[in-house]
Amino acid sequence: EPEVTQTPSHQVTQMGQEVILRCVPISNHLYFYWYRQILGQKVEFLVSFYNNEISEKSEIFDDQFSVERPDGSNFTLKIRSTKLEDSAMYFCASSTSGSDTQYFGPGTRLTVL
Amino acid sequence: TQLLEQSPQFLSIQEGENLTVYCNSSSVFSSLQWYRQEPGEGPVLLVTVVTGGEVKKLKRLTFQFGDARKDSSLHITAAQPGDTGLYLCAGAERGSYIPTFGRGTSLIVHP
Repeated sequence: EPEVTQTPSHQVTQMGQEVILRCVPISNHLYFYWYRQILGQKVEFLVSFYNNEISEKSEIFDDQFSVERPDGSNFTLKIRSTKLEDSAMYFCASSTSGSDTQYFGPGTRLTVL
Repeated sequence: TQLLEQSPQFLSIQEGENLTVYCNSSSVFSSLQWYRQEPGEGPVLLVTVVTGGEVKKLKRLTFQFGDARKDSSLHITAAQPGDTGLYLCAGAERGSYIPTFGRGTSLIVHP
């Protein structure tokens, strides 16, 4: 069964450094999403992406965040200058259309020291 | 922004018992999903409900969507240790397809 994959599974970085989290959505899906989950808290929406542009974003997704689909398979989340409070699980999801069910990847655990 | 309240927050039961967990909001959802999440992993979709009053069954799991589409419940019959996990509900309000998640119900089923 097709699934969303994410790399790396765990990323440790120093505060102020840039990180890129990678996702390979399900191949026939057209809508892509990033969520984060701080330890012990709710899953929170960050951004949705369709047709090579952001379609929706939350207040969390400020100027330090960016997303890109650099090729036909990868979907990336870049955090330019990481802060301690960026430490969280970051989940990628994809769906066939904006109204269809989103399928989540296994997540990347980001630890900012 | 809608708020999804899930109850109970924690549930610890013995194998074979039945249980029900709840998801409530003051907002109306266009659709609602139930997910199960295990530690260190992403949420795995269990079911999507879209019609008020809808009931869906998935083996020993029964999902119900409230008539007014503001609440939902998940009932597990004869729980097994493999049911252990965090059960999340997520709802999208009208005009949006972006789900808002509840905090989840953490279920432990003891053998």
